[in-house]
Amino acid sequence: QQPVQSPQAVILREGEDAVINCSSSKALYSVHWYRQKHGEAPVFLMILLKGGEQKGHEKISASFNEKKQQSSLYLTASQLSYSGTYFCGTETDNAGNMLTFGGGTRLMVKP
Amino acid sequence: NAGVTQTPKFRILKIGQSMTLQCTQDMNHNYMYWYRQDPGMGLKLIYYSVGAGITDKGEVPNGYNVSRSTTEDFPLRLELAAPSQTSVYFCASSPGTLIPIQYFGAGTRLSVL
Repeated sequence: QQPVQSPQAVILREGEDAVINCSSSKALYSVHWYRQKHGEAPVFLMILLKGGEQKGHEKISASFNEKKQQSSLYLTASQLSYSGTYFCGTETDNAGNMLTFGGGTRLMVKP
Repeated sequence: NAGVTQTPKFRILKIGQSMTLQCTQDMNHNYMYWYRQDPGMGLKLIYYSVGAGITDKGEVPNGYNVSRSTTEDFPLRLELAAPSQTSVYFCASSPGTLIPIQYFGAGTRLSVL
């Protein structure tokens, strides 16, 4: 069963913040975040492992709540380049690096 | 820095035709994957491989076949194409469980008419 992402879409002005959530009904070993620009391939952003710490990448960071099987991606002071569709990919224990992707969150940043 | 290379980029098939989508990677990755992405949707795993000679089914394998004779190549075969197979197909590779990042190719856009 694929993880559920929310919101499905969000529109921001440059400089505003956003939070994208990813929720699973299964126990998770790791959560991966990818960004896909229109017509392009998905690109890896970050990975959060069970028992790991919150990760950060410039103004994009993420957290992983193991008890709730949820992850959140935080985009602060958004830039035009952040526009795209964000996917979470979840890995359950013993999945052997197999990811199940959520339906995606479309993010549009306007000037 | 070629990374993961997919060919062709675009293809139109008639119902019942067959074709092979090519995928090759030059990063010496053991793990390789095939996904399909329908319009406005997420990625669904078709097949994957953890090394040469080893393949296994993903979430949506029906209508597809794969082989992995070398570390570099992981072709996806469509037999008897159907309109439901109209999609964008992505190939990805990964070093493995220690570094589980997946690197994607540019995709193949397939239409079955």
